[in-house]
Amino acid sequence: KQEVTQIPAALSVPEGENLVLNCSFTDSAIYNLQWFRQDPGKGLTSLLLIQSSQREQTSGRLNASLDKSSGRSTLYIAASQPGDSATYLCAVSAGNTPLVFGKGTRLSVIA
Amino acid sequence: DAGVIQSPRHEVTEMGQEVTLRCKPISGHNSLFWYRQTMMRGLELLIYFNNNVPIDDSGMPEDRFSAKMPNASFSTLKIQPSEPRDSAVYFCASSLASGTDTQYFGPGTRLTVL
Repeated sequence: KQEVTQIPAALSVPEGENLVLNCSFTDSAIYNLQWFRQDPGKGLTSLLLIQSSQREQTSGRLNASLDKSSGRSTLYIAASQPGDSATYLCAVSAGNTPLVFGKGTRLSVIA
Repeated sequence: DAGVIQSPRHEVTEMGQEVTLRCKPISGHNSLFWYRQTMMRGLELLIYFNNNVPIDDSGMPEDRFSAKMPNASFSTLKIQPSEPRDSAVYFCASSLASGTDTQYFGPGTRLTVL
């Protein structure tokens, strides 16, 4: 059974700092990996989707990498801003199966 | 597109009452998912549909929970009878395909059972 772990559970950084969020998964036979953002009281918003054949995806200040063989992904946020404060969730899919989510990392960016 | 629409946004009910949560997926999406989120357990998949057909309901906690998708534009999640431990935020999400495409989430329904 696929399990997804995110470390740390919470992170607080000063504005402007570059930071990395970590995600690990137990079964490397994945089809894709997605990173989501969740603001308090809101639903999830998809940030990046990496196919299993890809190594990374970039969107603005966000860069997600995937190392399937080691069961790891990272989400890199450059020049963090207070507006980046949210919970970030990682999820993996084996194909025609639903996503399996981690419990998220709660990020606070302090002005 | 309006995105995934859920109603109600908040529901407060008493133990033993029936609760019905509603979801309208994004037009053209073939897969629909119901999730429950709590602080203790995180985001849990309850059930998902492909082309209106339930595919996997192994996440439905008990027989008190049931879900239907009578057509491509509407789904319900029903809890009867409700219990305090059902209190959580319930999300509906849709995607073009079940595991290969981005899922789009609704705003959620915050359920409180007293």
